[in-house]
Amino acid sequence: KAGVTQTPRYLIKTRGQQVTLSCSPISGHRSVSWYQQTPGQGLQFLFEYFSETQRNKGNFPGRFSGRQFSNSRSEMNVSTLELGDSALYLCATRDRPANTEAFFGQGTRLTVV
Amino acid sequence: SQQGEEDPQALSIQEGENATMNCSYKTSINNLQWYRQNSGRGLVHLILIRSNEREKHSGRLRVTLDTSKKSSSLLITASRAADTASYFCATDGGGSQGNLIFGKGTKLSVKP
Repeated sequence: KAGVTQTPRYLIKTRGQQVTLSCSPISGHRSVSWYQQTPGQGLQFLFEYFSETQRNKGNFPGRFSGRQFSNSRSEMNVSTLELGDSALYLCATRDRPANTEAFFGQGTRLTVV
Repeated sequence: SQQGEEDPQALSIQEGENATMNCSYKTSINNLQWYRQNSGRGLVHLILIRSNEREKHSGRLRVTLDTSKKSSSLLITASRAADTASYFCATDGGGSQGNLIFGKGTKLSVKP
């Protein structure tokens, strides 16, 4: 079974630009969650999708958005990038929304300059 | 906000020694999970222990859960240099919410 695939792996953007990150889940996994990891704040939950519906959202500004497609692939978008958005963005997928192990992708390292 | 707090923040041991990491959490849980992360990479699931379980083993890993103290511990026996990584505990957001709430992690360094 192929693992969780995140693209791109690395990204450098300028302040004010926008960025789209992609996550392809393990086959059969319909739950996709996104996390932001920074040295200062650790792992912070962004949002969770299940069957194309956003079920849960973390405490992030509206510049952070996401969506899920019918094939369970998910994208997250960050608009008007700020320096503080520099982070490792991780996608995690599960076969059901809760109470089971999550499988993580390798992450997208976003650097905002 | 962080649900769990790992202790210690950093741990340095020699190969062959045991490593113990602790995690405390704040709210009631359905389960608690431990994950490992090699530098700058994705997290790998190690073990899940349900709230009605007290201890669970997986290879060289032993996890305990004390719901009365809202704490868990991860023991890695006979550690190897390849165990060098950060270890995180995580709890589910509650109910059917699918967000995991992570602690800040313990950075383990195993010296050959």
